[in-house]
Amino acid sequence: GENVEQHPSTLSVQEGDSAVIKCTYSDSASNYFPWYKQELGKGPQLIIDIRSNVGEKKDQRIAVTLNKTAKHFSLHITETQPEDSAVYFCAARWLGGGSNYKLTFGKGTLLTVNP
Amino acid sequence: DAGITQSPRYKITETGRQVTLMCHQTWSHSYMFWYRQDLGHGLRLIYYSAAADITDKGEVPDGYVVSRSKTENFPLTLESATRSQTSVYFCASSEQLAGASDNEQFFGPGTRLTVL
Repeated sequence: GENVEQHPSTLSVQEGDSAVIKCTYSDSASNYFPWYKQELGKGPQLIIDIRSNVGEKKDQRIAVTLNKTAKHFSLHITETQPEDSAVYFCAARWLGGGSNYKLTFGKGTLLTVNP
Repeated sequence: DAGITQSPRYKITETGRQVTLMCHQTWSHSYMFWYRQDLGHGLRLIYYSAAADITDKGEVPDGYVVSRSKTENFPLTLESATRSQTSVYFCASSEQLAGASDNEQFFGPGTRLTVL
């Protein structure tokens, strides 16, 4: 099955700086890589995703890059704001048998943006 | 539009008791999932369901039972709770679009369960 490693586990930045979170995956059959943001006391929420036929995707201050050869993908947040403080999870979709809708999640990164 | 709800939001129980966590979604999504979230482990899949009456084990199914008699409900039962099942439990749902490779999962607000 799929295995997703996420780094770092905690990240602290100053407001206005950039933040980068990196994930690696093990199964070359994975073709969908979403990122979820979890605010305190809430469930995770999708913020951006990328498919394996695209190398980069951007949405305002957030972007995701994918390197299929190296099997890693990254989340980039520019001009960070205090409201970006949250736990971020990466995930990969494992194409295995009839359960190809399952997501495998990384262990999460706690991002703190200091004002 | 209520979306996906979980109840109770907080539960304290004792070792050996049976506990059922409820999950309800109003979108008629085909797929539903149960995860547990623990520090250092992220989100781990317990059970999932592709449709009513179709369920399957995830990564950590031991000690849990699920059922899905109706599309909108996906209860999770701990038949004999143990301290190691103290966790935050999240239910999620998604729809599989024909020909699409992506399927956003929508998460509920979570249930914090403490087993004493």
